[in-house]
Amino acid sequence: SAVISQKPSRDICQRGTSLTIQCQVDSQVTMMFWYRQQPGQSLTLIATANQGSEATYESGFVIDKFPISRPNLTFSTLTVSNMSPEDSSIYLCSVERGSGGNTIYFGEGSWLTVV
Amino acid sequence: AQSVTQLDSQVPVFEEAPVELRCNYSSSVSVYLFWYVQYPNQGLQLLLKYLSGSTLVKGINGFEAEFNKSQTSFHLRKPSVHISDTAEYFCAVSDRKAQKLVFGQGTRLTINP
Repeated sequence: SAVISQKPSRDICQRGTSLTIQCQVDSQVTMMFWYRQQPGQSLTLIATANQGSEATYESGFVIDKFPISRPNLTFSTLTVSNMSPEDSSIYLCSVERGSGGNTIYFGEGSWLTVV
Repeated sequence: AQSVTQLDSQVPVFEEAPVELRCNYSSSVSVYLFWYVQYPNQGLQLLLKYLSGSTLVKGINGFEAEFNKSQTSFHLRKPSVHISDTAEYFCAVSDRKAQKLVFGQGTRLTINP
C-alpha cells in the first residue's frame, strides 16, 4: 500500500480566496492524481501530475482554476483558486502502486467548505 | 472509455445478514476492477481488486467479489455484516494502460441492529 498525507485535513474558506492542498507520499511514485468528491457525490478525476511535466487535466477542469505543482517524486500540491461555494468538496490525492502500477491508493482527503 | 453503474444507491440490512452490492461496468478494453470503502468522515480505503487470474477475489474485513466477464459485473458480497460495515462503497474501473479510475455513484450500506 502507500502512506499518503494531506494538509489541510479540513478548512473553511472565504469566497474569492485560494487554498493550496499539499500531498506527501512515503516513497517515490511516478504518477499522482487529484480527485474531487462533491457533497453526496462520487469521485471525479481532476488531473494527473507527473514529475517534471505539466499536469494533464480532465474535461471540465482547467489549470487556471486548479493549478498543480509536482516538484519531486514524493510531493504535489493542488490549488483551488478564486473559490466559490460550488468548490466545497473533498479533494483527494492518490498514487498508483503495485507491480505494473495497477492499484490506486488514496489519502484521507482535504475537506473544504467555502462560505 | 469506461463507465460504472452501481445498481443500488442505498442498501439497508440487518446485522449478521448477508449482503450483495451490485456493480456493472462498460468498457471496450480489458480492465482492472476495484471496490473502495469510505467510512463516515474518512477517505477511501481499498477493499479488494481484480487484476487477472481467479475471478473470485477476497479482500479485507471479510468481503469478496466475483468478476463475471460475460455479464460485465463485479458484485461485492459479505456473508454476515456488522454494524462497523456501515459506510459508502464505491466500485471503480481502470483500463490497463492508464491508471485513471472511473467510479460508480456509490452505494450506502446501512446496518440495522
